Amino acid sequence: GQQVMQIPQYQHVQEGEDFTTYCNSSTTLSNIQWYKQRPGGHPVFLIQLVKSGEVKKQKRLTFQFGEAKKNSSLHITATQTTDVGTYFCAGPVNDYKLSFGAGTTVTVRA
Amino acid sequence: SAVISQKPSRDICQRGTSLTIQCQVDSQVTMMFWYRQQPGQSLTLIATANQGSEATYESGFVIDKFPISRPNLTFSTLTVSNMSPEDSSIYLCSALTGGAGDTGELFFGEGSRLTVL
Repeated sequence: GQQVMQIPQYQHVQEGEDFTTYCNSSTTLSNIQWYKQRPGGHPVFLIQLVKSGEVKKQKRLTFQFGEAKKNSSLHITATQTTDVGTYFCAGPVNDYKLSFGAGTTVTVRA
Repeated sequence: SAVISQKPSRDICQRGTSLTIQCQVDSQVTMMFWYRQQPGQSLTLIATANQGSEATYESGFVIDKFPISRPNLTFSTLTVSNMSPEDSSIYLCSALTGGAGDTGELFFGEGSRLTVL
């Protein structure tokens, strides 16, 4: 079945630096979603991308959906300690179920 | 949107016992799901909780081990039966408010952290 792969698994970032996490699917996705889970918390929806080549920004976060709708990325600029957590991408398996990537766990060095 | 309350938030259980986790949503939702998240891991879908009928289980999960109820559009329970230490995990209730064919935003409860001794 459809599986979403995510890299890197861990990202250690110096405060103020930028980083990117990547998500890849073996099949074309109708949409892709991103979630953030703070340490000890539950996943919280960040965004959904639907269109080929779509780019959306949320303050310092930039989300991109590939032209072939098989990959996506999340780029964070000027990382802050509030960015700590695990970021998951998720792609639909069918009309209503999501398959989550392994997640990228971000730690920040002050 | 939807606010999801889960209880218990955490519990320590003895091997061989069963525990039921409750999930309450503050509004009617179309779909409810139960996920498992083992320490440091991603989210694995256990089953879709269907209102008034048997849940739909994912590969590797069976009703005898994880019986699920969903008596109405806002409430569901997950029981972890005959627990073993391998069942130690976070169990997350989630809900989808969109209609069929809409994999919109998934809302999650705070999770129930189970430790089996």
